[in-house]
Amino acid sequence: EAQVTQNPRYLITVTGKKLTVTCSQNMNHEYMSWYRQDPGLGLRQIYYSMNVEVTDKGDVPEGYKVSRKEKRNFPLILESPSPNQTSLYFCASSPGQGYEQFFGPGTRLTVL
Amino acid sequence: QKEVEQNSGPLSVPEGAIASLNCTYSDRGSQSFFWYRQYSGKSPELIMFIYSNGDKEDGRFTAQLNKASQYVSLLIRDSQPSDSATYLCAVNMMDSSYKLIFGSGTRLLVRP
Repeated sequence: EAQVTQNPRYLITVTGKKLTVTCSQNMNHEYMSWYRQDPGLGLRQIYYSMNVEVTDKGDVPEGYKVSRKEKRNFPLILESPSPNQTSLYFCASSPGQGYEQFFGPGTRLTVL
Repeated sequence: QKEVEQNSGPLSVPEGAIASLNCTYSDRGSQSFFWYRQYSGKSPELIMFIYSNGDKEDGRFTAQLNKASQYVSLLIRDSQPSDSATYLCAVNMMDSSYKLIFGSGTRLLVRP
C-alpha cells in the first residue's frame, strides 16, 4: 500500500530533551515536506526537500532540523524542544512540482 | 494580505443541499490548485485538483477556477453529514519550487 508513515504518533516530552520524529514514504517521491498545524493558523511549512541531500527552509524553520540521506526518509529533529513547539505535525510527499502532496497520519507533540 | 484566504466558517448547510466553499489567492502566476478535506485530528486528504480555468467535476464535487479573479471554489452537491469537516484550499506558488501554500480552512457542518 502506498503510504507515508510517521513515528511516533503521540509524544509528550519536556523542554530541552532532544527528539526525532521519523517520516518514511514508499512511493519513490522526490519531494518531501514537514508541516505544523495549529488552531487558527492552518498548515505551515517547516522544511522541505526536493531530493536526497537537498533541503530548504519553509515558513517556520526556527528550532527544527531535517536531513535527507535517503529518498524514502525525512526525519524532523527538535534539538531543544520548547513549549511553543507543541503542535500537530504532518509529513508529506509528492512526485514533484505542481502535484498533490500525500500526508502522513500526523504526530501530536506536547512539550511541557 | 494572506497568500491564500478562506472564510473560516463554520458553513452550515442542511443535508442534501449544495455547499459552496471559496478561496482566493495572491500569486497571479499560480498554476496548481488543490482542495483537501480534513477531519478533526486526522491528516488532510485530497478531494480535487484543478489546473485550468473553468469547472472540473468528480462525482458530487466540482472545482471551479477563475485565474483572472484569482479565485477557486469547491461545490459539494447533495451534501451528507459525513461531509462535515474542514476543507483546505492549497495553491502551488510560482515563486517557490514545490511550495504549496495552504489556506487556514473552512469548517463545513452538514445538518441531518
